[in-house]
Amino acid sequence: SAVISQKPSRDICQRGTSLTIQCQVDSQVTMMFWYRQQPGQSLTLIATANQGSEATYESGFVIDKFPISRPNLTFSTLTVSNMSPEDSSIYLCSHHRGLNTEAFFGQGTRLTVV
Amino acid sequence: DAKTTQPNSMESNEEEPVHLPCNHSTISGTDYIHWYRQLPSQGPEYVIHGLTSNVNNRMASLAIAEDRKSSTLILHRATLRDAAVYYCILRPRNDMRFGAGTRLTVKP
Repeated sequence: SAVISQKPSRDICQRGTSLTIQCQVDSQVTMMFWYRQQPGQSLTLIATANQGSEATYESGFVIDKFPISRPNLTFSTLTVSNMSPEDSSIYLCSHHRGLNTEAFFGQGTRLTVV
Repeated sequence: DAKTTQPNSMESNEEEPVHLPCNHSTISGTDYIHWYRQLPSQGPEYVIHGLTSNVNNRMASLAIAEDRKSSTLILHRATLRDAAVYYCILRPRNDMRFGAGTRLTVKP
């Protein structure tokens, strides 16, 4: 298994500011994924972040709002930019090594925008 | 992409078996069937996965219908710690997309 450490675990931010969430994996992985979980809802895929290429965003998510970095095979960041209260959610990172393998998730970052 | 359909909620008594159903009538031949669960205030955790054959692990069993249009996650003896939202997910590609899942309540 490859353990994921995600931080911060929670934050309260002022509207209009940005927050960068970090995800560290304890071994090298090619594919990493970022999700948003709005209050009381299921997880929604934001983007796929593979090392060495630009992140691929899902419909409804744009790079200007959620820039992602993937500088190496063990680390990724997601920035929530120009935040509004509607961005208040839990943000999670994930990785796996293929269709026939289990996926691992971070514990999530609980973001509250005031 | 093929869709999954799960009941919104289910209840079980502690120490009794639980059968969580999932319908996926439009599944493709190469779609893996994965199950994850999310305990309160935690990220999802892997439970089990399979392609065609039934699968067993220390957490649960996965029964896959012969036509693969449905599957059932079996918890052999539910405990209070098994109270969670259970997600049945088809994986035709590397990304994973979550449905609404089934909220399992375990009564003591």
